Amino acid sequence: SQQGEEDPQALSIQEGENATMNCSYKTSINNLQWYRQNSGRGLVHLILIRSNEREKHSGRLRVTLDTSKKSSSLLITASRAADTASYFCATGQNTGGFKTIFGAGTRLFVKA
Amino acid sequence: SQTIHQWPATLVQPVGSPLSLECTVEGTSNPNLYWYRQAAGRGLQLLFYSVGIGQISSEVPQNLSASRPQDRQFILSSKKLLLSDSGFYLCAWSRHYEQYFGPGTRLTVT
Repeated sequence: SQQGEEDPQALSIQEGENATMNCSYKTSINNLQWYRQNSGRGLVHLILIRSNEREKHSGRLRVTLDTSKKSSSLLITASRAADTASYFCATGQNTGGFKTIFGAGTRLFVKA
Repeated sequence: SQTIHQWPATLVQPVGSPLSLECTVEGTSNPNLYWYRQAAGRGLQLLFYSVGIGQISSEVPQNLSASRPQDRQFILSSKKLLLSDSGFYLCAWSRHYEQYFGPGTRLTVT
């Protein structure tokens, strides 16, 4: 079953603006990850935040995690046309095999 | 460095035909391996994962099966394809939770 639910489903912004995507999940997790997928390609891991962390940064990316609300957000600052892609949140489960459940994704379009 | 290969990149198969998709990983040993399917414009559905040779966990009962004959080889198979098997198939590997994906195979069942 789907664990992560991203919001919005699609987002269109101008280059230079910030993009915020949200993710909600249902069960307890070990960690939450964000991935990017360019059209027709495999996913690329962006960032992982552990369940005992509240905020994490990586370059222009900022991720927050609120385990009490079972939600996370991904902020991309000063967006570029090259950021156009689908972004997925994924929850790391506390089970064997490092199982990870992916959401349906947010499609981001950055206009030049 | 580690690399992951998937082939073929695209495949068109008739209903009822068999399927074999292969995934291999280089540059690491004893990885966790995963098969996902992605419908157009949708998220990833975990199909199978493996923590070692011959160890396969199935997530969704369906027309597909997986095997891991070697440490860094993961194969997705079907004896008879259905129309509903069409999609984008992705293989991934991990040491822990961060997963690294192959380029994918676009399967169209006609």
